[in-house]
Amino acid sequence: DAGVIQSPRHEVTEMGQEVTLRCKPISGHDYLFWYRQTMMRGLELLIYFNNNVPIDDSGMPEDRFSAKMPNASFSTLKIQPSEPRDSAVYFCASSTTNSNTGELFFGEGSRLTVL
Amino acid sequence: LAKTTQPISMDSYEGQEVNITCSHNNIATNDYITWYQQFPSQGPRFIIQGYKTKVTNEVASLFIPADRKSSTLSLPRVSLSDTAVYYCLVGGDNFGNEKLTFGTGTRLTIIP
Repeated sequence: DAGVIQSPRHEVTEMGQEVTLRCKPISGHDYLFWYRQTMMRGLELLIYFNNNVPIDDSGMPEDRFSAKMPNASFSTLKIQPSEPRDSAVYFCASSTTNSNTGELFFGEGSRLTVL
Repeated sequence: LAKTTQPISMDSYEGQEVNITCSHNNIATNDYITWYQQFPSQGPRFIIQGYKTKVTNEVASLFIPADRKSSTLSLPRVSLSDTAVYYCLVGGDNFGNEKLTFGTGTRLTIIP
């Protein structure tokens, strides 16, 4: 089975540009999570969805960040306008309530560099 | 959410058993203890989960004392490929309703 698929794997952009990160969760999973990882702050939960509905977005840094999940197989995280401090690795993860452990399956991440 | 405390880093030689302890003094009754492993340039990967006593799988063992205020991840006979960051998480059994906090993790370095 394919795991969580994220794109792009790497993106370099200039300050002020719009950035869109994409995620395809594992088929059948009903939870989707967006995390951000930096050396300074570690791995932070930004937002998570259940059945395509945003449940908790309190981790989203500010209004420049937005996330959508238009259907069960696709989610986006958008940053507009981007700033150098947004440089980080962004991970998407999915899970299912049918799991005995609630295990999170992570994608390989999208490394964002904002110049 | 129960806060966790674990060592920032550990070193060990190949072939040894490694034990990483995590403190979670405020663990709630319905909280499970879960450990993840993260290699460089990869997302975290689930290792093991437990509620009480001992859990063992093909990768590791998890020891949880009766008071559940701490837990120990045990990696038998480590190899260089076990060099990674290990995260201890504490949360409810329905992870979709919990904001999982990964913390800083323990950076394990295996020395040849």
